[in-house]
Amino acid sequence: EAAVTQSPRNKVTVTGGNVTLSCRQTNSHNYMYWYRQDTGHGLRLIHYSYGAGNLQIGDVPDGYKATRTTQEDFFLLLELASPSQTSLYFCASSDVLGGYEQYFGPGTRLTVL
Amino acid sequence: GDSVTQMQGQVTLSEDDFLFINCTYSTTWYPTLFWYVQYPGEGPQLLLKVTTANNKGISRGFEATYDKGTTSFHLQKASVQESDSAVYYCVLGNSNYQLIWGSGTKLIIKP
Repeated sequence: EAAVTQSPRNKVTVTGGNVTLSCRQTNSHNYMYWYRQDTGHGLRLIHYSYGAGNLQIGDVPDGYKATRTTQEDFFLLLELASPSQTSLYFCASSDVLGGYEQYFGPGTRLTVL
Repeated sequence: GDSVTQMQGQVTLSEDDFLFINCTYSTTWYPTLFWYVQYPGEGPQLLLKVTTANNKGISRGFEATYDKGTTSFHLQKASVQESDSAVYYCVLGNSNYQLIWGSGTKLIIKP
């Protein structure tokens, strides 16, 4: 069964803080995604990657960096966190050959004070 | 660019009621349309997928159809249960294999 895990599940930091969110998938999928979810906006794509070392910019990339170290691991970095980045973050993976279906992790709730 | 609009932010029904959720989409590509469902405390999961080839999808008692003429996409279920309480997202797959998400419709089922 498809498996995407995220850590931490909850994180509180202060304005200007440095945060790293981690995602690991064991689906052997090529594509991985980072989204943020806010009330009234659905899911918005931050960054995505189609393989180790690759990074593509999504729709709301400002203030975020990402790195794909292996096929399994994708990280989201907030180097100077701001209160506007308080949100629920989801990681997902997909295999283009299998169509569009994306498999999601359980989410990380980030609060920036 | 590609976009999806869900006008119903919340729908409240009683058990055994008929469910109908609607969204509209805009794309220059051949649309692949999805309904994702998100239960409390979980990430979204695929409920149904519809392409120009099949026009309709059925899963877990839900049925999805799309109308190319009005660029609308519907989700319906004949008889909802309390376990169907969740947020339902209308989603468009674009030519870059990205998903464009609607804002979601929260379904509340009164016991």
